[in-house]
Parts: sequence; structure tokens; C-alpha cells
Amino acid sequence: EPEVTQTPSHQVTQMGQEVILRCVPISNHLYFYWYRQILGQKVEFLVSFYNNEISEKSEIFDDQFSVERPDGSNFTLKIRSTKLEDSAMYFCASSEWQGDTEAFFGQGTRLTVV
Amino acid sequence: RKEVEQDPGPFNVPEGATVAFNCTYSNSASQSFFWYRQDCRKEPKLLMSVYSSGNEDGRFTAQLNRASQYISLLIRDSKLSDSATYLCVVGVRNDYKLSFGAGTTVTVRA
Repeated sequence: EPEVTQTPSHQVTQMGQEVILRCVPISNHLYFYWYRQILGQKVEFLVSFYNNEISEKSEIFDDQFSVERPDGSNFTLKIRSTKLEDSAMYFCASSEWQGDTEAFFGQGTRLTVV
Repeated sequence: RKEVEQDPGPFNVPEGATVAFNCTYSNSASQSFFWYRQDCRKEPKLLMSVYSSGNEDGRFTAQLNRASQYISLLIRDSKLSDSATYLCVVGVRNDYKLSFGAGTTVTVRA
């Protein structure tokens, strides 16, 4: 069964450092997303990406965040200067159709900022 | 008002019991509805989509009430493996995202 894969599974970084979280979406999917979940809280939307550009982004997705699809398979989330409050589980997801349809999630990257 | 609201539970039920819970959504333009399941510190996994007429998948039954803007999930003959957090997820027409509820925790005991 096709799946979304994410690397690394866990990343520890110092405050102020840049991190790049990587994702390989399901191959025939066209829409890609990043969500995050702070421990004990709900899953929150960060950004959606289609046709090599951002379709929608949330208030959380400020100038410190960026996304990229550097090649035909990878989809990355970069946080330029991490803050303590960026500590969370980051989930990549993909869907075959537009964002209000079912999405399939990767196993997540647990980011810990110290 | 939160976009998607759920009773957090927990619902503690014995094996074999039936458990049901609801979710309400605030945006009347919502057109797609899902139940996802999330195990502790794992990714959300699609359990089932929810259709207007209601639908069933094995022991799971989902209902949608557009007039009152709520959806429900019923689990029959609960198994220990049903213990998880159930996430109510809603999509709005022409949006590029899904909105998640905070989840309802179900614990099935032997």
C-alpha cells in the first residue's frame, strides 16, 4: 500500500538553528500539506502546496517557514530560526484531489527545540 | 467558536460494548467529513469518510446531520484494539486544508 514517508523521525535542534523536514508524498498525489501537532493539542494546518506553489497557509506559517518541492519526489518544510514553541510533531500529508478531500499522513517528525 | 468541536471523553467501555460520540462543526460551507483514528504519538489514519446518507464500515457507523451541523461515530462490539483517539475532520468547499477536532479518546477494557 502506498504511503507518505517522512525523515527524520525525530530531530533535536538548538533554538535559532535552521531545520529541514523531509517528506515523500504518495506518488500519484498532486496536493501536499504540512500539519503540526503540539503535544496534547489538536492537529493544526500549516500549509498546502499544489502545482509548485503554496495554495493556502495558516497564521502559524509565518516568514520563518518555507516549503519546497526540490525534485519530483521530495517535499520539504524549512524552519529558518527555530523557537522553543516550534517543538511539535510535524506531519506531512498528501491527497489525490483538492484539500477538502481525504488526506494520507506520514508517520511524522518529532521536532524538539532546546 | 471552534471550527470543529468534540467531546474529549474519555469514554471507557468494556469489550463488546457499543460506544458513540458526536462532533459539531461551525462552517456551513463544509462539504467533506471524515473520521480519523490516532494512536498515541502516531499519525492520524483515515478511518472512514462520512456521507450524507450515513455509512457503515464493519463495526463502525458514521452519520451526518447537515441541518444541525454534526457528525457521529458509533462503534459496535468494541475491541481492545479500538482504544485510540478519534479525530473528527472537516473540509470546506474550495479550501486547501482539513480542519481537525481535538479528538475523542476511547478506551476499551477487557
